[in-house]
Parts: sequence; C-alpha cells; structure tokens
Amino acid sequence: AQSVDQPDAHVTLSEGASLELRCSYSYSAAPYLFWYVQYPGQSLQFLLKYITGDTVVKGTKGFEAEFRKSNSSFNLKKSPAHWSDSAKYFCALEGPNSGGSNYKLTFGKGTLLTVTP
Amino acid sequence: DTTVKQNPRYKLARVGKPVNLICSQTMNHDTMYWYQKKPNQAPKLLLFYYDKILNREADTFEKFQSSRPNNSFCSLYIGSAGLEYSAMYLCASSREGGTQYFGPGTRLLVL
Repeated sequence: AQSVDQPDAHVTLSEGASLELRCSYSYSAAPYLFWYVQYPGQSLQFLLKYITGDTVVKGTKGFEAEFRKSNSSFNLKKSPAHWSDSAKYFCALEGPNSGGSNYKLTFGKGTLLTVTP
Repeated sequence: DTTVKQNPRYKLARVGKPVNLICSQTMNHDTMYWYQKKPNQAPKLLLFYYDKILNREADTFEKFQSSRPNNSFCSLYIGSAGLEYSAMYLCASSREGGTQYFGPGTRLLVL
C-alpha cells in the first residue's frame, strides 16, 4: 500500500523568504509524484510532477521540487516566496487502485502556507 | 483549456435521501474520477471511469455508484445519504492515465 505524509499542517513565512514544503512517501515501486495547489474557493491546480529522470523538476508559478530516493522525499521549493503563494499545497503519489490500475492518486493531508507581506 | 465543471457547487441533503452529483469536462479525457475530501483529511479516491469501465475502490464499493452516459459527463450517486457522507466531492479527469485535472468540488451537507 502507498502513503504520503506532509508533516507540517501549517507553514508561515515572510514575503521574500525561501519556502520549502515537506513531503515524504512510502511505495514499493518507482514513484510518480505530484504537487497540487488549492487557492481559497478554487479547485486543486496541478503544479508539477516527477516521473523519471532529473531529480529536480520545475513547475508552474516558479515552483520546483526535488525527488530524493534516499529518504523518500519530494519537497516543494520556491525562492523568493510571494504573498500570492498563500494557499494549501497537496503532495500526491500515483499508484494502483483496488483493481490494480495505476490511476489512483494518494494524497497527503496538505500544508497550509501563509506568506505575510 | 483544462476546465472540469461540477454541479451543484453546494448540496443539502436529508438523511436517507438519494444524492446525485454531476461532473463534466470538454477535454475529451478518457478517464474521470471522483474523490471525497473531509476537513483535515487527504482527498480519497472513491471510483473512476476509464472510458466506459467503472472501477470502484474496495473500501467504498457498496456506498457509491456512478454512471458515464458519454465521454464528457460523469455522475456520482449516493442511494441513501448518511451523516458520514458530508464532505467535499472532487471530480477530476485525465487522458491515458496522465495528469489529473480537478473541478472546484461539490460541498455536500447531509442533515
């Protein structure tokens, strides 16, 4: 079974600082990993994904994430942070559903990021 | 355009009554998904349609039904709502198992 952990429920930082949101996963095979962002009142929006290859993947809105197999992590980063980055961020792992097809996203509980001006 | 639409955005239901939620997409995606999200919990996959084939998760098999009358539409059906069904229901779609694109969600409150 696969699982995703986002250990920080809430992160607060000042505009201009560097942000890093933590995500760890548990999965027996090579992982496909995703980050989504949800702004208040809006849908989950795709930010970036890691499939294979370069361990640093770049996404939209200036975000990037680093895949580290050694400690099963996929942390999201951005520098500098802007107040408009305030949102809830979800890490997800693609893996098999009950029927064995790899269509299932297993999400973490999310990290609420607050960037103060 | 990666728009997924959901109707209604808010739904109030009575215990024991049926609930039908609707999702649509115009991206010609072959797969459509339904996730349930409760406060302070991770979104959880309930089921998905790959083309015309319905796949339901084992732990929610008996609780939810779905239909996909055509490529663009997918519904989520609860036959008899219970208090535990109160949640946000997220619809998503993808092409050939690729990136999933989500709708804004339907907030269901069961009283």
